[in-house]
Amino acid sequence: AQKVTQAQTEISVVEKEDVTLDCVYETRDTTYYLFWYKQPPSGELVFLIRRNSFDEQNEISGRYSWNFQKSTSSFNFTITASQVVDSAVYFCALSDGGAIIQGAQKLVFGQGTRLTINP
Amino acid sequence: EAQVTQNPRYLITVTGKKLTVTCSQNMNHEYMSWYRQDPGLGLRQIYYSMNVEVTDKGDVPEGYKVSRKEKRNFPLILESPSPNQTSLYFCASRPPGGTQYFGPGTRLLVL
Repeated sequence: AQKVTQAQTEISVVEKEDVTLDCVYETRDTTYYLFWYKQPPSGELVFLIRRNSFDEQNEISGRYSWNFQKSTSSFNFTITASQVVDSAVYFCALSDGGAIIQGAQKLVFGQGTRLTINP
Repeated sequence: EAQVTQNPRYLITVTGKKLTVTCSQNMNHEYMSWYRQDPGLGLRQIYYSMNVEVTDKGDVPEGYKVSRKEKRNFPLILESPSPNQTSLYFCASRPPGGTQYFGPGTRLLVL
């Protein structure tokens, strides 16, 4: 069975600090996809990144970066120089590759990490 | 603008009173899903649909029904809502092999 664990329920930091959100996943599939979504206080889900299991290159997008390590089944998310607007709940999610091809693509979500950036 | 819309956005109802939450997408996506979000549990899939007239259960389908009569619409039906269905509901759609787009969410309170 697939599982995603975000052990950090809540994180609170002061603005401009760097912060890393942890994500550990379990799957027996060799082909799978990992995602991060942001849920700001307004409630919508904002897609941040999708990474497939064959691409272990780290990704950087502005102040955001992602570290994918298959050896530890982790897909961690780092925000550099955090800002108050980064305050949100962040979800890590997993989908097996076969499901994407077949069409189901059920996303298995972690419990979410509530990040608060204090001014 | 490409989007997934849900209505209503907020709903307060009473136990047993049938309700429908509508979901519509304008991107001609074949695949659509419903999720519910509960504190400490993340999002869990309720039902999904791979095309018109093709639907299947997700992880938590009990108490819910869906239909897919048209490609763009995927309504979620609660025939007899109960308080444990109080939740935040998201509809999503995606193209083949693509990433899911989520609707804005529907907050449901069942008294």
